[in-house]
Amino acid sequence: AQKITQTQPGMFVQEKEAVTLDCTYDTSDPSYGLFWYKQPSSGEMIFLIYQGSYDQQNATEGRYSLNFQKARKSANLVISASQLGDSAMYFCAMREANTGNQFYFGTGTSLTVIP
Amino acid sequence: EAGVAQSPRYKIIEKRQSVAFWCNPISGHATLYWYQQILGQGPKLLIQFQNNGVVDDSQLPKDRFSAERLKGVDSTLKIQPAKLEDSAVYLCASSPQGGGTGELFFGEGSRLTVL
Repeated sequence: AQKITQTQPGMFVQEKEAVTLDCTYDTSDPSYGLFWYKQPSSGEMIFLIYQGSYDQQNATEGRYSLNFQKARKSANLVISASQLGDSAMYFCAMREANTGNQFYFGTGTSLTVIP
Repeated sequence: EAGVAQSPRYKIIEKRQSVAFWCNPISGHATLYWYQQILGQGPKLLIQFQNNGVVDDSQLPKDRFSAERLKGVDSTLKIQPAKLEDSAVYLCASSPQGGGTGELFFGEGSRLTVL
């Protein structure tokens, strides 16, 4: 079974609008972390936001927030007030604490911000 | 603080030739990962080191790929002989042991083209 599933290969959003990128995960480890990374066309992987499995509140970092629904095993990324520079690939990832901190990545969502 | 260093940035070789990639993680980071990212896909873990020991190499094609991390610091990934399907970006990442969110810090990647 896939550890991380991202079902949206491509998304479009109007500049200044909000967009939600979906991510579901599969684990039986009670201790895990969820991450979102941005990969622009230049190729570097940029860490955006982190949510721990025991965190009670949804994580926020500036315009990024993580909608964490533990029972549904979902960790959607919300980008508010989209900017042209947000156009990139976005990857959801999970680290399982009790399996040697192995890191799993999804297949990614390509986001295009339209002026 | 210096980031994860990788070299070379770009490499073009003929099939059946060999190639080696080098990675120097962030100082003090115990865990080092090598990922393969084929164009349009998410990163796929090849091998994970904890200090100089291998944690996971289950997806490393051991008939042609090898990796080592001598003295628990820098690491080398080798491909011999290369195949056309090895064309990809090879990403090195490191993570500190314990503390923080445990996110991965990535290098800029080494782009391999096999002709």
